[in-house]
Amino acid sequence: SQTIHQWPATLVQPVGSPLSLECTVEGTSNPNLYWYRQAAGRGLQLLFYSVGIGQISSEVPQNLSASRPQDRQFILSSKKLLLSDSGFYLCAWGRAGGAYNEQFFGPGTRLTVL
Amino acid sequence: KQEVTQIPAALSVPEGENLVLNCSFTDSAIYNLQWFRQDPGKGLTSLLLIQSSQREQTSGRLNASLDKSSGRSTLYIAASQPGDSATYLCAVIADSGYALNFGKGTSLLVTP
Repeated sequence: SQTIHQWPATLVQPVGSPLSLECTVEGTSNPNLYWYRQAAGRGLQLLFYSVGIGQISSEVPQNLSASRPQDRQFILSSKKLLLSDSGFYLCAWGRAGGAYNEQFFGPGTRLTVL
Repeated sequence: KQEVTQIPAALSVPEGENLVLNCSFTDSAIYNLQWFRQDPGKGLTSLLLIQSSQREQTSGRLNASLDKSSGRSTLYIAASQPGDSATYLCAVIADSGYALNFGKGTSLLVTP
């Protein structure tokens, strides 16, 4: 069976500090990978997706970046955090070969920027 | 731009009741629709996926229907239990084929 891991579970960072959130998937190969953000009072929004190693697409302009150094690893980064980066960050995966396949979500990382 | 709306925003029912959660979307050209459950502070659990060519999907006490032409989906929960208390999210795949467009959810409380 497939599992998806995210860490850390919670993070409190000062404004201007760097960020690195990690997501890994087990039990599948060449998955589509996604980063979503759930901000207070707002719906979930797709930030980035990847269909393969080194292939990153951004859905919205922002202060964040993503990388996929390995097949089942997806990293969300920032060089300098803003207050508006606070939120609940969710990683998701979907089976390769179809953009329209079901998406499965990880446990999330709660980020608070002070 | 695809807009997804969920009604009601919150719902409280006594245990044992059957209930319906509603989801509507503005662009009927969707590829699929997915229903999720989110417990407080947790990630999303996928409940049901309905492909655009399908009318409904069932899993246990859950039944989801899809009417693409009218831009609507409903999630029916039979014989509700306190353990069903959570936020239920509806999402549709956008034209890009990758982004799930989410509604803001229905917060459900089932009281014993």
